[in-house]
Amino acid sequence: DSGVTQTPKHLITATGQRVTLRCSPRSGDLSVYWYQQSLDQGLQFLIQYYNGEERAKGNILERFSAQQFPDLHSELNLSSLELGDSALYFCASSVAPGPVDEQFFGPGTRLTVL
Amino acid sequence: SQQGEEDPQALSIQEGENATMNCSYKTSINNLQWYRQNSGRGLVHLILIRSNEREKHSGRLRVTLDTSKKSSSLLITASRAADTASYFCATITRPDSNYQLIWGAGTKLIIKP
Repeated sequence: DSGVTQTPKHLITATGQRVTLRCSPRSGDLSVYWYQQSLDQGLQFLIQYYNGEERAKGNILERFSAQQFPDLHSELNLSSLELGDSALYFCASSVAPGPVDEQFFGPGTRLTVL
Repeated sequence: SQQGEEDPQALSIQEGENATMNCSYKTSINNLQWYRQNSGRGLVHLILIRSNEREKHSGRLRVTLDTSKKSSSLLITASRAADTASYFCATITRPDSNYQLIWGAGTKLIIKP
């Protein structure tokens, strides 16, 4: 158990809808990273927050947004969903403000868009 | 092709043999990290190696980094069935807020009993 929690575990929705994925980092970690993993693919880095502030952006679509709250949990919002958004979404947390140390991954949210 | 590419894509060996996976990248890096992922689960950190390091060990794992060839290798010695998983490398180009964090597509390792 990494100490990172993600909810929900599974999400099934329809094209055009909007969903929110939630992540709680490990106790003491200030950084949260979001990743997308399509079927049998590597990870795509989406975005990172550090202590409530956006720190870095990767390949995040304009239809996606995220935020980190004062209690350090983070939410990833996906809107106008398309079939191609079906994937595993992971969050990870770490202590440092950048990816200079190990990241602890949550179990993921499996999103299916029908 | 993309930074942080692993090869081979898949590797099947007998239990007890050694497994070697490689990761190549294109631009200068700050550090390179290896992670393991069991089917459909979250990733688990294995080793981080910094650009000024050449080799690191952790238990049965040995990672090397050759910055002149822009490549890294992960060696798992005396493999066990529990090592069956996908292995990913991640390259980080710089430690500040302008970093690039790129993951390879992974090597799927199968250990046959």
